Amino acid sequence: GDSVTQMEGPVTLSEEAFLTINCTYTATGYPSLFWYVQYPGEGLQLLLKATKADDKGSNKGFEATYRKETTSFHLEKGSVQVSDSAVYFCALGYTDKLIFGTGTRLQVFP
Amino acid sequence: DAGVTQSPTHLIKTRGQQVTLRCSPKSGHDTVSWYQQALGQGPQFIFQYYEEEERQRGNFPDRFSGHQFPNYSSELNVNALLLGDSALYLCASSSGVETQYFGPGTRLLVL
Repeated sequence: GDSVTQMEGPVTLSEEAFLTINCTYTATGYPSLFWYVQYPGEGLQLLLKATKADDKGSNKGFEATYRKETTSFHLEKGSVQVSDSAVYFCALGYTDKLIFGTGTRLQVFP
Repeated sequence: DAGVTQSPTHLIKTRGQQVTLRCSPKSGHDTVSWYQQALGQGPQFIFQYYEEEERQRGNFPDRFSGHQFPNYSSELNVNALLLGDSALYLCASSSGVETQYFGPGTRLLVL
C-alpha cells in the first residue's frame, strides 16, 4: 500500500541555518505530493505541493522537488527563522484522500 | 472568504458516550474529508463525503459514521467512545481534484 516516511525529529537549528527535512514515499499510482505545516494548537496549513514528477513546489522560501527516481520529496529552506518552528508533515494524495507521514518537529532558536 | 470551520473546538466525553462533530467547508468546495490525528502522529484518513454520499473510507470501525448536507457541510459521529478515540479531529474541504484545505480541528478527550 501507499505510505510516507519522514525523518524523525526534532530538528534543532539556529536562526538563518539551512533546513532539510527528508521525505520518501511508496505509491501504487501517480499521486500529488504535499508539505503541510502545523503550528502549536492549530490545524494543518498547506505549505507547498507538486503534482507530477520533476515539479518543484515553493512557498515562503520553502521548496521541494518531486523526484520519481528516488521516490523523494525533501523540504528545504535556505535560511530559517524562529517563526518557522512548527511540525511539518509530508503527504501523498489522490482525489479521495491524503496519506501523511508522522511529522517532523522543527525548533529554531535565535 | 471564510475558510474551513469546525465546531466545537474542544470536547470532553466519557467512555461509551456518543459525539457529533461539525464542519463547514471553504466557500466553493463540495467535498469534505475527515481525519483523526492522535497525539504525536500524522493525521489518519477516516472518510470522504461528496454529493451527500460516502465516497471513500479509511480503516476505521463502523462506530465512525458521517453525513453531508445539501449545503456541503458535514458531521462526524462516533458511537460507543473508547479512550483511544481521544484525538484531534480534522476536517478538510476540496473541490474536484484540487488541494484539501484543513480546518482548525476539534480536540476530543475521552475519560
